Amino acid sequence: GQQVMQIPQYQHVQEGEDFTTYCNSSTTLSNIQWYKQRPGGHPVFLIQLVKSGEVKKQKRLTFQFGEAKKNSSLHITATQTTDVGTYFCAGRNSGNEKLTFGTGTRLTIIP
Amino acid sequence: DGGITQSPKYLFRKEGQNVTLSCEQNLNHDAMYWYRQDPGQGLRLIYYSQIVNDFQKGDIAEGYSVSREKKESFPLTVTSAQKNPTAFYLCASSIGSGDLYGNTIYFGEGSWLTVV
Repeated sequence: GQQVMQIPQYQHVQEGEDFTTYCNSSTTLSNIQWYKQRPGGHPVFLIQLVKSGEVKKQKRLTFQFGEAKKNSSLHITATQTTDVGTYFCAGRNSGNEKLTFGTGTRLTIIP
Repeated sequence: DGGITQSPKYLFRKEGQNVTLSCEQNLNHDAMYWYRQDPGQGLRLIYYSQIVNDFQKGDIAEGYSVSREKKESFPLTVTSAQKNPTAFYLCASSIGSGDLYGNTIYFGEGSWLTVV
């Protein structure tokens, strides 16, 4: 079955440093979504990417979908304490209703 | 306010007992989902439902059961057959599933189940 892996599993950065998490799927995806889960909270939708090579930005966050539509990345510039949480990617195959979540990357910020 | 309500937030269960987690949504969404979250394993799909009176098994359905008698309700029963039920359970919904371009999934606050 479809597998979606994320690396790294954990990341500790100094406040102000950049952060990147990578998402890799075993199969080609029709689209990919990113979610953020704050400590003790529930996942919240951030963005969806659909097109091959697509890049989207939300303030300090940059999301990219690979040309082969099998990988994606989330990059945060100049991290802040509010960025703390676990970031999940979630991919959907063509013709498959199920959304498969990645393993997540837990980001902690050192003030 | 529109949203997804899960209850209870915390639940303790003795081994051998069944327990039912409630999930209600007033978003008028067709699709509903149950995920299980364990440390380091992300979110795993237990069951999902695209329409009333219909549901499908997810990746880890063994030991769980669901019903979808009403559009707004999708309760999950954790049976005694589930060998390791202690986890964080998340209910979710979306406008519909099967759309090639996907739908945003909205999550409830979650329910913590501990087997004692």
